Amino acid sequence: QQPVQSPQAVILREGEDAVINCSSSKALYSVHWYRQKHGEAPVFLMILLKGGEQKGHDKISASFNEKKQQSSLYLTASQLSYSGTYFCGTGLTTSGTYKYIFGTGTRLKVLA
Amino acid sequence: EAQVTQNPRYLITVTGKKLTVTCSQNMNHEYMSWYRQDPGLGLRQIYYSMNVEVTDKGDVPEGYKVSRKEKRNFPLILESPSPNQTSLYFCASSLTVNSYEQYFGPGTRLTVT
Repeated sequence: QQPVQSPQAVILREGEDAVINCSSSKALYSVHWYRQKHGEAPVFLMILLKGGEQKGHDKISASFNEKKQQSSLYLTASQLSYSGTYFCGTGLTTSGTYKYIFGTGTRLKVLA
Repeated sequence: EAQVTQNPRYLITVTGKKLTVTCSQNMNHEYMSWYRQDPGLGLRQIYYSMNVEVTDKGDVPEGYKVSRKEKRNFPLILESPSPNQTSLYFCASSLTVNSYEQYFGPGTRLTVT
């Protein structure tokens, strides 16, 4: 039920690009992306509400393919500050439930 | 400043001693959640609340209780803590479950011996 993210972990050099994928077995009505530094609270990056939507700010962007039940997060020209664990998440609003579920997570390390 | 506060930040307790972790938000959010985070298991929802007096189970509710008597507060209660509840806990709030971002508290690191 938990969205599966790939890769599980990635190591980059500063300036390199990365793509993190989030794939769900259930219909996605929205996708949220968060970044978490070790021992800290998750920090919101962006939300995609419609299939086909693409968003971005600074050098981080995301896309949402509603039909494929997938979302991807794109990090370009990575910086040291991008290091952390990235989670996708979504609300499950079927059958009278309003649970929120996070993906499996992707650990990203950017090296100087 | 918009924020979610949690207390305490760190807690070491013994098996069976009831404890409460408080959570408060100042954004008039309707949706509030508790999550636990364990190595290799990511963030898992314990309980959530859609509004005052409306609470429901998340994916890992066993051993926990919650209440929502006021919109701003959503305490997490462990009536009889056990070592397997040793974890990092986060409270979060948002306007709705799907269309808006969640704001997280700073976390409570709980150790049950």
